[in-house]
Amino acid sequence: DTEVTQTPKHLVMGMTNKKSLKCEQHMGHRAMYWYKQKAKKPPELMFVYSYEKLSINESVPSRFSPECPNSSLLNLHLHALQPEDSALYLCASSLRGRVDNEQFFGPGTRLTVL
Amino acid sequence: AQSVTQLGSHVSVSEGALVLLRCNYSSSVPPYLFWYVQYPNQGLQLLLKYTSAATLVKGINGFEAEFKKSETSFHLTKPSAHMSDAAEYFCAVSEGRNRDDKIIFGKGTRLHILP
Repeated sequence: DTEVTQTPKHLVMGMTNKKSLKCEQHMGHRAMYWYKQKAKKPPELMFVYSYEKLSINESVPSRFSPECPNSSLLNLHLHALQPEDSALYLCASSLRGRVDNEQFFGPGTRLTVL
Repeated sequence: AQSVTQLGSHVSVSEGALVLLRCNYSSSVPPYLFWYVQYPNQGLQLLLKYTSAATLVKGINGFEAEFKKSETSFHLTKPSAHMSDAAEYFCAVSEGRNRDDKIIFGKGTRLHILP
């Protein structure tokens, strides 16, 4: 299995909702990432889990909270989002320890906040 | 600090013509360089990567890139464009496992293929 899967593919939510995005990989990778991508822009790194240690992009608001239940799963919990949070959310993984840190990307979740 | 500059946010070429997408990097250590492609509403797919094994790197779908240290460049080429090559292309740089886990993306180049 050489892919990263993400569910759901599309999500529409109101500003008062709580929802979660899920990411899974079975490649034995020990680092997993969440990115946010707005239209016509490159992906922006939000969080990194590497060997169970979390690194946070300081600019990410607290209404986004990651969770890593095990080394194969990465969730992104969403609460009280704003319309400007609408974007494509990408998950990626890498075999930590690879010299080049190649990242493998999932297909993304298209999030719309109403 | 590492960074990537992609020259041209949009590039248009005719079907069958040469594709050239430009990427320049800045890094304090020997870099690892990547080209990713993104089709509409999809994730990023790795086209090719440079990891110091060879300066001319061949990737998928007929693409290749050449690492030129003296020019700090890693331009992406394909001899003959196909309609299916229309997509967004991102150049990215990593400083490797002894640094943090991050890779830095350029702003992207949208490739348009003219019939």
